[in-house]
Amino acid sequence: KQEVTQIPAALSVPEGENLVLNCSFTDSAIYNLQWFRQDPGKGLTSLLLIQSSQREQTSGRLNASLDKSSGRSTLYIAASQPGDSATYLCAVNGGSQGNLIFGKGTKLSVKP
Amino acid sequence: DTEVTQTPKHLVMGMTNKKSLKCEQHMGHRAMYWYKQKAKKPPELMFVYSYEKLSINESVPSRFSPECPNSSLLNLHLHALQPEDSALYLCASSHPTRAGEWNTEAFFGQGTRLTVV
Repeated sequence: KQEVTQIPAALSVPEGENLVLNCSFTDSAIYNLQWFRQDPGKGLTSLLLIQSSQREQTSGRLNASLDKSSGRSTLYIAASQPGDSATYLCAVNGGSQGNLIFGKGTKLSVKP
Repeated sequence: DTEVTQTPKHLVMGMTNKKSLKCEQHMGHRAMYWYKQKAKKPPELMFVYSYEKLSINESVPSRFSPECPNSSLLNLHLHALQPEDSALYLCASSHPTRAGEWNTEAFFGQGTRLTVV
């Protein structure tokens, strides 16, 4: 059974810092991995999608990498801003119907 | 348009009530999903509809009844819920590649915050 783990569970940094969020998964037989952002009480906003054949994806200040063989992904956020404060969820797609299995998330707080 | 729309945004219902949650997408996606998210927990899959047919039911209690009337619409009918069913209910959609692989991006709605009293 696929299990997804995210470290750290919470992170507080001053504005302007570069930071890395970690995600690991136990079964490397995945189609893709998706990073989401969730604001309190809100839905999920897709940040980046990495296919199993890809090593990384970039969008603005965000860069996500994938090492499928070792079951790891990282989300790198450059020059963090207070508006980046949210919970970041990692989800793997290994099911037959595109269903996702989520990690418990990393709650990020960026202090002005 | 990459939007998944869920209504209502908030719902308070008694344990004897019957209510429905609605989800709509106009991206032409042929898979739609219901996830349940309890406070401070990750989303967990409840149901998957693929080409308007129920393909996955994650052993969800029968007081939750999904329905997919057409390829753009997904409903979740609620009846005789318990207070522990209070949660954020998220709808998502995705679409297979030409090869029939379900490895494309999933899009989520803003959720319905359900409170059972």
